[in-house]
Amino acid sequence: EPEVTQTPSHQVTQMGQEVILRCVPISNHLYFYWYRQILGQKVEFLVSFYNNEISEKSEIFDDQFSVERPDGSNFTLKIRSTKLEDSAMYFCASRGAASNEKLFFGSGTQLSVL
Amino acid sequence: GQQVMQIPQYQHVQEGEDFTTYCNSSTTLSNIQWYKQRPGGHPVFLIQLVKSGEVKKQKRLTFQFGEAKKNSSLHITATQTTDVGTYFCAGSKWGNQFYFGTGTSLTVIP
Repeated sequence: EPEVTQTPSHQVTQMGQEVILRCVPISNHLYFYWYRQILGQKVEFLVSFYNNEISEKSEIFDDQFSVERPDGSNFTLKIRSTKLEDSAMYFCASRGAASNEKLFFGSGTQLSVL
Repeated sequence: GQQVMQIPQYQHVQEGEDFTTYCNSSTTLSNIQWYKQRPGGHPVFLIQLVKSGEVKKQKRLTFQFGEAKKNSSLHITATQTTDVGTYFCAGSKWGNQFYFGTGTSLTVIP
């Protein structure tokens, strides 16, 4: 089965530093997502991306966050100035064009902000 | 904003017992999906429900979408140790995003 790939699997950073989390969605998918999950808690929607622009974003996705699809394969999440509370597992997901398509999740990047 | 709650938050069952998790949305949904997340893993799609009152089965798993399309349930018959994990519902309102429920963590005692 095709896979969504995320790198790195773990990222440790100092508070205030910028981080970029990388994802390679499934090649023929059109919708891309970032979710995050604080340990033991629910999966929280951050942002969805379609046709090279943000289609929806949550309250969590403030000015410190940005997403980009710099080429035909990568989809990145940037956090400009990390805070302690940004520590979480960040999942990238993608899906095809139809509204009933399932989300395929990557294995996640565990971000630790010290 | 969109709120999707699940109960119970945790459930411990003896192997062979049944298990049910309930999902409730604050607003009417267009469709709902269910995901399973094994400990240390990522969410994996189980099923999608679209129609009011829809019931779908996957072996020992039965999924139901409420008539008002605001609630859903997942029932597992005769649980096995392989059923261990957290079960999330995820609702959508004709948008691109799916809002995940709070999850039910299932522990199966052999």
